[in-house]
Amino acid sequence: SQQGEEDPQALSIQEGENATMNCSYKTSINNLQWYRQNSGRGLVHLILIRSNEREKHSGRLRVTLDTSKKSSSLLITASRAADTASYFCATDAGLRGYSTLTFGKGTMLLVSP
Amino acid sequence: EAGVTQSPTHLIKTRGQQATLRCSPISGHTSVYWYQQALGLGLQFLLWYDEGEERNRGNFPPRFSGRQFPNYSSELNVNALELEDSALYLCASSLLPGQKNTEAFFGQGTRLTVV
Repeated sequence: SQQGEEDPQALSIQEGENATMNCSYKTSINNLQWYRQNSGRGLVHLILIRSNEREKHSGRLRVTLDTSKKSSSLLITASRAADTASYFCATDAGLRGYSTLTFGKGTMLLVSP
Repeated sequence: EAGVTQSPTHLIKTRGQQATLRCSPISGHTSVYWYQQALGLGLQFLLWYDEGEERNRGNFPPRFSGRQFPNYSSELNVNALELEDSALYLCASSLLPGQKNTEAFFGQGTRLTVV
């Protein structure tokens, strides 16, 4: 079963606009991670936020985590056409490292020039 | 430094055949993870190998198997291929298995098509 569920399934915006994607999960977690996937290829790790953190920044990325609501959001500011990709959240809920990393089905982001 | 490499990039097999996929982790990483990404199903955890041992497996039938070699590279074998095995198979490696909050690095994947 999918632990993380992203919303929306797809998002289409213009360059320069901000893009916000949400992720909900069901169980307690150690951390939550966001990944990007271009054209059905490998995943690129974007950011990891621990369960005791509420917000984290990396360049144009801002991630928030609300453990009481079991939800996270990824904000991409000033989007570029190169940000077009699928974005996945993944939760790490176990004690055995990545054997328990559970992915959602992703949000497809299209940024038009 | 080379990242996680997977081969082949694409593989086309006939139903009932066997497929072998290969993964080389980042130098120094001892853990290798396999995931299946089938259309509409998201990424599903398949197998985790560390120090040559299978540490955990996901909810997949026994015809999905693999191994890890002394140099930490890994093979994923899928026997008696079925049409629904068509998917992108992703391999990832990490440095600190069993530790919380460690990052995994993914390869570009092998696209398996079963016809």
